[in-house]
Amino acid sequence: GAGVSQSPSNKVTEKGKDVELRCDPISGHTALYWYRQSLGQGLEFLIYFQGNSAPDKSGLPSDRFSAERTGGSVSTLTIQRTQQEDSAVYLCASSLNGRQGWETQYFGPGTRLLVL
Amino acid sequence: AQTVTQSQPEMSVQEAETVTLSCTYDTSESDYYLFWYKQPPSRQMILVIRQEAYKQQNATENRFSVNFQKAAKSFSLKISDSQLGDAAMYFCAYRSASGSARQLTFGSGTQLTVLP
Repeated sequence: GAGVSQSPSNKVTEKGKDVELRCDPISGHTALYWYRQSLGQGLEFLIYFQGNSAPDKSGLPSDRFSAERTGGSVSTLTIQRTQQEDSAVYLCASSLNGRQGWETQYFGPGTRLLVL
Repeated sequence: AQTVTQSQPEMSVQEAETVTLSCTYDTSESDYYLFWYKQPPSRQMILVIRQEAYKQQNATENRFSVNFQKAAKSFSLKISDSQLGDAAMYFCAYRSASGSARQLTFGSGTQLTVLP
């Protein structure tokens, strides 16, 4: 596709359930990022992928959060045993190769997660 | 660690007028990049303008320009001839030019309202 796509657009789940969020980056982009935007707060970095490897996982808030990327393309962010504080918009972005500081990160429309 | 501060949670401007959004940051690095992103209600973050720290000349993109004061660690966004379509949340962001940190560090955002 022409841009970064994410699915689902919205997700409502019950506390304690696992959820999977999907990100399809722009074709040819090797760098992929996940951010979280909580209500009333700015964007918080979660994890960065270069190809299929994740050299920077420093933003993952707990071991309930994990992410993978396969084939250098699609990425999945998994949240296990969801808690109410996980409710947020999860944004994915991609950039050409992640090596240049000036690179534009192109964002998807996000997945709004609500944990009841 | 770098921090980005946006001290104006909300701003409003009359259509066709000029508005300036403030951003300050804290870093010990000498080389870095600064960005302004716009987030309309669709949630998709869109790059508005970027500035390389080593360039003294302020970046300009059509009606958008920045006032970059490196010594003061200030990076404000000026929107001229404001249009209704400019209404959105605006985020200031920082990115290192070197090292392993590839993510953007965001401020908390400024909600801009454009009045007809």
